[in-house]
Amino acid sequence: EPEVTQTPSHQVTQMGQEVILRCVPISNHLYFYWYRQILGQKVEFLVSFYNNEISEKSEIFDDQFSVERPDGSNFTLKIRSTKLEDSAMYFCASSGGQPNQPQHFGDGTRLSIL
Amino acid sequence: AQSVTQLGSHVSVSEGALVLLRCNYSSSVPPYLFWYVQYPNQGLQLLLKYTSAATLVKGINGFEAEFKKSETSFHLTKPSAHMSDAAEYFCAVSKAAGNKLTFGGGTRVLVKP
Repeated sequence: EPEVTQTPSHQVTQMGQEVILRCVPISNHLYFYWYRQILGQKVEFLVSFYNNEISEKSEIFDDQFSVERPDGSNFTLKIRSTKLEDSAMYFCASSGGQPNQPQHFGDGTRLSIL
Repeated sequence: AQSVTQLGSHVSVSEGALVLLRCNYSSSVPPYLFWYVQYPNQGLQLLLKYTSAATLVKGINGFEAEFKKSETSFHLTKPSAHMSDAAEYFCAVSKAAGNKLTFGGGTRVLVKP
């Protein structure tokens, strides 16, 4: 069964540095998402992306964050200047967008900011 | 705005006993509802979904959930717990296909031998 893949599985970065998290969604999916889960907290929506543009974003997704689909297969999340509070598990998801097509999640990237 | 409440952050059941995980939602429109399971160090795996068809939904691994509009609930059940069911379970709601998911806080299930 096709799956969403995320790299790296664990990223350790110094505060203030830029980080790029990478995702390869399921190939025929049209909608792409990023969520995060801070340790011990609920999964939170960050941003959704459709037709090469952001369709919705949360208040968490401020100017430090950006997303890109550079080559038709990868979907990336960039954090420009990381803060300690950005430490979390980041999940990528994709869906076909139809009612019977739920979101499929990757295994996540654990981001640790030092 | 949508919200999801999962009653009980931790549930402990004996192997072979009923598993019941509670989920209540609020939504301004007829919702799409989902249960996802997260095993340690893994991503979120879809257990089942409700998208306005049958109110009793069967999913993988013997789980099922019933959508009750009058109670705004979507509780997850499994008649007989197995050790492999030990995981964290998340209820989620969406307004429409393609829209973001809003998650509950999760319920961690411990299965005792």
